[in-house]
Amino acid sequence: QQQVKQSPQSLIVQKGGIPIINCAYENTAFDYFPWYQQFPGKGPALLIAIRPDVSEKKEGRFTISFNKSAKQFSLHIMDSQPGDSATYFCAAHKETSGSRLTFGEGTQLTVNP
Amino acid sequence: EPEVTQTPSHQVTQMGQEVILRCVPISNHLYFYWYRQILGQKVEFLVSFYNNEISEKSEIFDDQFSVERPDGSNFTLKIRSTKLEDSAMYFCASRITGFSLGYTFGSGTRLTVV
Repeated sequence: QQQVKQSPQSLIVQKGGIPIINCAYENTAFDYFPWYQQFPGKGPALLIAIRPDVSEKKEGRFTISFNKSAKQFSLHIMDSQPGDSATYFCAAHKETSGSRLTFGEGTQLTVNP
Repeated sequence: EPEVTQTPSHQVTQMGQEVILRCVPISNHLYFYWYRQILGQKVEFLVSFYNNEISEKSEIFDDQFSVERPDGSNFTLKIRSTKLEDSAMYFCASRITGFSLGYTFGSGTRLTVV
């Protein structure tokens, strides 16, 4: 029940395309859903996050769509660029003191020029 | 921008040896974490630490692991007797409070057990 399932495992798009990465969760106690971007040799960096009382959040070219009834959320990257090539992790968190982040399996995104 | 600093960036150790991974969290943060990432796999929670004690730990964090905040700035992860399967990237993270959003992760220590 603590798991977060992420798909696809890898994704290749052309520059300007709109990659979509999907995640699903089971635990309805999760109340914060961040996406992290990770470049090789670096730690995960927070990209964008959403709470379950909102169905969509947009920051620049990154959009999270959230479907509370389906327990699913997704990341859309508009006008993708080669510099967006990285591994993307969704995560879920239960906002109690000190609680952990539960990560999805990761999606390796390649944006071709 | 404040950073979480981890040292060393890469450590190679022989099986059965003890290793200590070091982290300097952001100075006004109160919650500290260790996560690990086996090559090509997802990031997994190990332990959270607050007010000088462990607040939560995962099933991975067995008796071989320990954490310590020996002074006001460092946060360490010790593996007592390393195994081959401990080879992974270890990430330290910190948050300002338990109710705030936005963990900050360090760049990690790559541990290779041979």
